[in-house]
Amino acid sequence: EAQVTQNPRYLITVTGKKLTVTCSQNMNHEYMSWYRQDPGLGLRQIYYSMNVEVTDKGDVPEGYKVSRKEKRNFPLILESPSPNQTSLYFCASSSIGLYSNTEAFFGQGTRLTVV
Amino acid sequence: AQSVTQLDSQVPVFEEAPVELRCNYSSSVSVYLFWYVQYPNQGLQLLLKYLSGSTLVKGINGFEAEFNKSQTSFHLRKPSVHISDTAEYFCAVSPFGAGSYQLTFGKGTKLSVIP
Repeated sequence: EAQVTQNPRYLITVTGKKLTVTCSQNMNHEYMSWYRQDPGLGLRQIYYSMNVEVTDKGDVPEGYKVSRKEKRNFPLILESPSPNQTSLYFCASSSIGLYSNTEAFFGQGTRLTVV
Repeated sequence: AQSVTQLDSQVPVFEEAPVELRCNYSSSVSVYLFWYVQYPNQGLQLLLKYLSGSTLVKGINGFEAEFNKSQTSFHLRKPSVHISDTAEYFCAVSPFGAGSYQLTFGKGTKLSVIP
């Protein structure tokens, strides 16, 4: 079954304690990205990756890091979380190429609370 | 750059009534257009997409959307809604040729179906 798997689904942490949210896809997609979803703001892109070792900033990258060492995995790292990073996070993947399978697949989401 | 405006943040509708969720976009290049649905506590799922060709696009669960280039709109419609359609709906665009990556989302419309 094609899927994007995020872990954990729920996380409560304290300010400044480093954390990692994992994302893995089983569709051999080149493109992966992270979004945060906040009420009234929709989905905003944090970082994206076009392929292994190729990452770039999205619209709201401050306070986040990513890495893409393997094609299937794209972890999101918060080195020093702050309360304003309390949000619902989604990982997504899709293939690249003109008229390629034009559907982005999303994970189930990670609800992060920073206290 | 692209932008997406979803004109209604919340739409209440009675069961079996028709519904239209409005979406307008702005772009200096040709775009692909998408509607995604997010059911409570779940990730986003593709409802339908417009790549080219017929401007009337049919998707899953009886939804359809019409691309209007002159009005830069991509409104979503369903002739008769069901309780199970209660969800948040997101309109999204990506630049022509970019497939499903480089997505820009609207802020979402919450559809509430009233029994």
